[in-house]
Amino acid sequence: ETGVTQTPRHLVMGMTNKKSLKCEQHLGHNAMYWYKQSAKKPLELMFVYSLEERVENNSVPSRFSPECPNSSHLFLHLHTLQPEDSALYLCASSQSGTANYGYTFGSGTRLTVV
Amino acid sequence: QQQVKQSPQSLIVQKGGIPIINCAYENTAFDYFPWYQQFPGKGPALLIAIRPDVSEKKEGRFTISFNKSAKQFSLHIMDSQPGDSATYFCAASISNFGNEKLTFGTGTRLTIIP
Repeated sequence: ETGVTQTPRHLVMGMTNKKSLKCEQHLGHNAMYWYKQSAKKPLELMFVYSLEERVENNSVPSRFSPECPNSSHLFLHLHTLQPEDSALYLCASSQSGTANYGYTFGSGTRLTVV
Repeated sequence: QQQVKQSPQSLIVQKGGIPIINCAYENTAFDYFPWYQQFPGKGPALLIAIRPDVSEKKEGRFTISFNKSAKQFSLHIMDSQPGDSATYFCAASISNFGNEKLTFGTGTRLTIIP
């Protein structure tokens, strides 16, 4: 496996369910990110982890809970979601502190809340 | 202050033409300006990036033009091909070790017709 892998690719969940999104990077990067992508809106930064510490929580509702157990793995735990949370959730990684820290994105998890 | 404005929202160009996508920003602290390409069902992929100490950067058929005084930058695709049909996002960030957050534009859906 190379790059950034996200699972599952698609997820349908009810508003009372609890589920988790998983992201794994095989690039040796030291920073990981969660972004939300909705139609006709800019990609919205949700969380930033650098060296396994959360350095940014961009006013995200508490029904989204991130976890970064090590530098290669990132989770997004979901509970009591709303239909407006339906979107593509993208994970990315980068090598923070270098001259060209362009993100490498995964293919995303398409989340539908019913 | 953190916003990046991108235009046009969609663009249709004949094969061989030169599509141009424009972005403008307000925050003069931004010092890294990447462009991303996204195909359906995939995450965005880094295409090319520029820093404000140069006015132009070329990589293959892709060129970024940067106008620091106008706080604008643009992507040009030379000899465009149908395979270039995708959504393109500009972005900007501040180099800040451990917290390099990319702020994205709203995207341009580009269609290259044969």
